[in-house]
Order: sequence, then structure tokens, then C-alpha cells
Amino acid sequence: GAGVSQSPSNKVTEKGKDVELRCDPISGHTALYWYRQSLGQGLEFLIYFQGNSAPDKSGLPSDRFSAERTGGSVSTLTIQRTQQEDSAVYLCASSFRDRGEAFFGQGTRLTVV
Amino acid sequence: GENVEQHPSTLSVQEGDSAVIKCTYSDSASNYFPWYKQELGKRPQLIIDIRSNVGEKKDQRIAVTLNKTAKHFSLHITETQPEDSAVYFCAASKGAQKLVFGQGTRLTINP
Repeated sequence: GAGVSQSPSNKVTEKGKDVELRCDPISGHTALYWYRQSLGQGLEFLIYFQGNSAPDKSGLPSDRFSAERTGGSVSTLTIQRTQQEDSAVYLCASSFRDRGEAFFGQGTRLTVV
Repeated sequence: GENVEQHPSTLSVQEGDSAVIKCTYSDSASNYFPWYKQELGKRPQLIIDIRSNVGEKKDQRIAVTLNKTAKHFSLHITETQPEDSAVYFCAASKGAQKLVFGQGTRLTINP
């Protein structure tokens, strides 16, 4: 079966523009994560969706960042009015509810110029 | 909430020697502890995990140990090879709550 799929793989945008990053989790996975990884750095938690529960948004760095998950499946991470410091790889991961093991997508490399 | 601390941040070992990476966690109710390997330019991938009902798990050259009393767990890599060079992340979670990752360890195997 297919793994976690993210699109686009690469995105170059001008400062001030809005971007949308997409994540297709593994079918049946109820949990979905978004992380940000700057070059050579660790995994910065952004947001966590688990089934029908309210999402854990505690990692979103500012109100320019938002995410939604439609129908318990596909998720979109939106960054408004992008800034150069938003440049990073954005990783999505999904897992079964109580199984714990998370599978990562290949990431979207965002470059703000 | 859960907090995971990982040490060391960088580790350099000679090929053939062993490498040990340690993590501590704060929530005694955490019951799942995976380790991920991230090679340069690639996604993190699960290499081994352990649940709180066991104290040790092995898979060929890698092993993980868990000390629930002390709230720490460790990754052991024996007979290291150049392809073991990567960044390793530990994590902890409980039930359906989110995985919390450590800061990562950059492991370099010197030939």
C-alpha cells in the first residue's frame, strides 16, 4: 500500500505570499502530525490531529500558520504572508490511534525568497 | 505534558565500535518508545521501538533498553558501519496522545 504522500515536494514562493502544503496519510490512520525541520536541526512539532478530537495546535509558531484535516484524511497546512524564516522542510506523519508508530512523508521543502 | 531529553547531540565513533544514545522522559505514564533514523536528505524512518511491558528489545545490531523506574531508554548500536551515520531521534508517547521527540543525535562513524 501507499505510504504518506506530501505535495508539492518543493515550493519556492515570494515573501508575503500564502502557501498550502498537502498531506495524504496512510489509509485508516487516525492520527496525523505536522513537523518543521530547518537545515541540520531537529523535528519541530507544529500540530497533531487525532480522530475527531480537537487538534493539538500548541506547536504552531504564529497565527500565520493554520492546518485543517478534512474527513479525517487529507490535511492541508497553510502559511499566510510567508517570511524568509519559514524556509524549511515540512514533514507530515500518520499513525493508527493507539499503535504509536508514526510513518513520515518525504516532506515539502519550502523556500521563501 | 511529556518532555523528552536526548544525549549526546553529536557522537563520533570508530567503525566497528559501539554507539549508545540515551533519552529521558518526564511522564511516567508513557508506554511507547520508538527510535527513528534520518539519513541526509531523507525522511525519518522507524528502526526499532519498545513498549513499557518489556525491558529490552534487539534487532540484529541494534537494541533498545528501557528503565521505567528511572524513566530513561537507550539505543545501542554494535559493530558500527559507515551506513549507520545519520541523525537518530528518540520519542515517547502514551495511548493515543502525540509522540514527543527528542532533539536528535548526529552519529558519525569514522572509517
